[in-house]
Amino acid sequence: SQELEQSPQSLIVQEGKNLTINCTSSKTLYGLYWYKQKYGEGLIFLMMLQKGGEEKSHEKITAKLDEKKQQSSLHITASQPSHAGIYLCGADPNTDKLIFGTGTRLQVFP
Amino acid sequence: NAGVTQTPKFQVLKTGQSMTLQCAQDMNHEYMSWYRQDPGMGLRLIHYSVGAGITDQGEVPNGYNVSRSTTEDFPLRLLSAAPSQTSVYFCASSYNRANQPQHFGDGTRLSIL
Repeated sequence: SQELEQSPQSLIVQEGKNLTINCTSSKTLYGLYWYKQKYGEGLIFLMMLQKGGEEKSHEKITAKLDEKKQQSSLHITASQPSHAGIYLCGADPNTDKLIFGTGTRLQVFP
Repeated sequence: NAGVTQTPKFQVLKTGQSMTLQCAQDMNHEYMSWYRQDPGMGLRLIHYSVGAGITDQGEVPNGYNVSRSTTEDFPLRLLSAAPSQTSVYFCASSYNRANQPQHFGDGTRLSIL
């Protein structure tokens, strides 16, 4: 079965710093999704990547999918306290079952 | 629109008790799913449904039942609660497939004593 591995598991950065979260799949991805979760809340959809080499940006968050479609990165520029939370990558293995990575907990301190 | 609504938000059960976690969406979504979230293990799919009257098993279905009698509702039933089912449960929905942005509820925090 397909597995998603995220790194790092946790990240503590100073406000204003850039950071990158990685998501690696054991198999080719048909679709890669990034979600954010705030403590005590559900997941909020951030971005979806489907093509090899695709890159999308929303405000200060950029997500990329590599050409082989097995690895994705989420980059945050000039981090802010509002970026704090758990970031999860999800993948579509071309079935009706969406799978998720274990998540990366991000803390941003002033 | 309310989106995806889960009830209750918190619940404590004793081992062996049964209960139903409710999930309702008002977006006319065909695809609905249940996940459990445990520390260090991300989200794991329990059951899912691609439309009314159709359900299927996910990664960790044992100990849980589901039904989909209407498009709007997708309840999750624990038949005989066990401590291993202590978790946070999330319901999600999307237009008609898993490969679309999912809308999540706020979760149900369940403790089994």
